[in-house]
Amino acid sequence: GEKVEQHESTLSVREGDSAVINCTYTDTASSYFPWYKQEAGKSLHFVIDIRSNVDRKQSQRLIVLLDKKAKRFSLHITATQPEDSAIYFCAARTGNYKYVFGAGTRLKVIA
Amino acid sequence: EAGVTQSPRYAVLQEGQAVSFWCDPISGHDTLYWYQQPRDQGPQLLVYFRDEAVIDNSQLPSDRFSAVRPKGTNSTLKIQSAKQGDTATYLCASSRTGSTGQLYFGEGSKLTVL
Repeated sequence: GEKVEQHESTLSVREGDSAVINCTYTDTASSYFPWYKQEAGKSLHFVIDIRSNVDRKQSQRLIVLLDKKAKRFSLHITATQPEDSAIYFCAARTGNYKYVFGAGTRLKVIA
Repeated sequence: EAGVTQSPRYAVLQEGQAVSFWCDPISGHDTLYWYQQPRDQGPQLLVYFRDEAVIDNSQLPSDRFSAVRPKGTNSTLKIQSAKQGDTATYLCASSRTGSTGQLYFGEGSKLTVL
């Protein structure tokens, strides 16, 4: 079955710098890749996604890139702010709407 | 629009006890997921339903875990004879097939097994 690997377990950046989180997946049939944010003591909420028919998507300070050949996708957070500090999870959706999540990246933005 | 509702928010058990978690998805969402999230790990899928049918329960420890969604709306996840290794947050999520595909998560039920 699908496996999603999230490469950075922790990431520290200075406020205003960019943060990049990388994920790889194994199932070539996966076609939808969402990202979720989890703040301390809270549940997951959706931040941005990308579908397999495009290779880049931007929403304000968030950019997602998809490389289908390498089976790799990444989340770029530009001009980071302290409120970006959280755990970020990547996920892949396989056939029949099954979602597999990565292990999470703990992002710390240092003021 | 009301979000995904879960209860109870917290449960503390001794090993061997049973517990049930309840989930009310967003109205109109046909697909409902149960995930287990151990501390400092990612969500791990246990089971998911489309309407009342189980689509995949291959990761559900069937000897002690069970899940139902009898009318295709609310769902219950039950753990019988809990073990310390079951300590985790149990997350319910829902989505609508054919929509954007986004999952909406509840606040979770945090289980501690002593």
